[in-house]
Amino acid sequence: EVQLVQSGAEVKKPGESLKISCKGSGYSFTSYWIGWVRQMPGKGLEWMGIIYPGDSDTRYSPSFQGQVTISADKSISTAYLQWSSLKASDTAMYYCARGDYDILTGYLDYWGQGTLVTVSS
Amino acid sequence: QSALTQPASVSGSPGQSITISCTGTSSDVGGYNYVSWYQQHPGKAPKLMIYEVSNRPSGVSNRFSGSKSGNTASLTISGLQAEDEADYYCSSYTSSSIVVFGGGTKLTVL
Repeated sequence: EVQLVQSGAEVKKPGESLKISCKGSGYSFTSYWIGWVRQMPGKGLEWMGIIYPGDSDTRYSPSFQGQVTISADKSISTAYLQWSSLKASDTAMYYCARGDYDILTGYLDYWGQGTLVTVSS
Repeated sequence: QSALTQPASVSGSPGQSITISCTGTSSDVGGYNYVSWYQQHPGKAPKLMIYEVSNRPSGVSNRFSGSKSGNTASLTISGLQAEDEADYYCSSYTSSSIVVFGGGTKLTVL
């Protein structure tokens, strides 16, 4: 069974750093893309970026380029989303999701449960 | 990269059919057969309903179907049921080798 299990909710202060995780199981982690999606409170889905753990090929939405870093550790089948300096506007639910096999065409077929990040002074 | 354009809301009665549109450009929807649709119930993670314009993942009801004409993709739900009430999002692969979502459509079953 394919599963993506995300790390727990976080409460941080502006300016702090954060790294959240997404552990994949039940499939070949290195052969499928893993994407990150933001959903701000009461708002729609925003595609942030995606990584292919097999070779670490990473793509970012222009809206998130330079704002976050996506990485993966294939030895433990885990993808990460990190911030070096959080802002209040980063408060949102963040989902990881499995993408295509090998070639990026864009669909996300299995989703994690979401990680709620709250940034408040 | 601009978000794809979806109607903010649509509604229909049980048993009816509804269609949600998703309009992009020749650089995304019109340029690739890589449009996906997602259903999201409140407080839940999104669920893939359609991929590559018209393909249904295993387990998704055949009441859900997708199509595309030019720069506009569509999701049709036939035989509307109360459980279909949710938010729906389209997405498309783009010429920048990234993906963009639509703004989302709230479906109300009357």
